[in-house]
Amino acid sequence: DAGVIQSPRHEVTEMGQEVTLRCKPISGHNSLFWYRQTMMRGLELLIYFNNNVPIDDSGMPEDRFSAKMPNASFSTLKIQPSEPRDSAVYFCASSHGTGAGDQPQHFGDGTRLSIL
Amino acid sequence: GENVEQHPSTLSVQEGDSAVIKCTYSDSASNYFPWYKQELGKGPQLIIDIRSNVGEKKDQRIAVTLNKTAKHFSLHITETQPEDSAVYFCAASSPEYGNKLVFGAGTILRVKS
Repeated sequence: DAGVIQSPRHEVTEMGQEVTLRCKPISGHNSLFWYRQTMMRGLELLIYFNNNVPIDDSGMPEDRFSAKMPNASFSTLKIQPSEPRDSAVYFCASSHGTGAGDQPQHFGDGTRLSIL
Repeated sequence: GENVEQHPSTLSVQEGDSAVIKCTYSDSASNYFPWYKQELGKGPQLIIDIRSNVGEKKDQRIAVTLNKTAKHFSLHITETQPEDSAVYFCAASSPEYGNKLVFGAGTILRVKS
């Protein structure tokens, strides 16, 4: 069975450029989550969707960050313009249910983002 | 909001020994406690979870215990093997805070053969 699929796996770009991260959740899951992992702050929830609708984006650090889920099988996280402090590993996860975190979440293998 | 503390930050054990990782949480309304294992270059993988209406859950060599009164929960790995070496994260979610998962800082487990 296919798990959560993220692309690209690695992204290196210069400060000021637009970055788009992509995620395909597990088929049949109706909740999708974007997390950021850094050494300093650990794993942080940025935003989550339920049935393609953004429910809570309180973790999005700034207006430079935006996320969309145009359909049940695809989501994007965009950073524009990017800054060096955005360098991190970004994970997408999906689960069944309507809650934000009270069901098992399945993570992709992440996108390692480096902003020079 | 919810706060989750995890100890120890690193743990070294001999192959075959047991390993125990402990987490405490701040919100007494928290009701879901998953544990994740993360290997290098991979995403976190759910290994076991427990809900607040259960005190203990076991799956082969892995077990989790929950003490709601003390607000702490622990991961127990018995008969450790080199492939258990990874970073382990605990997490908690509370309906008081939208059921969002809050993660501990992680424990690096090294199993020496």
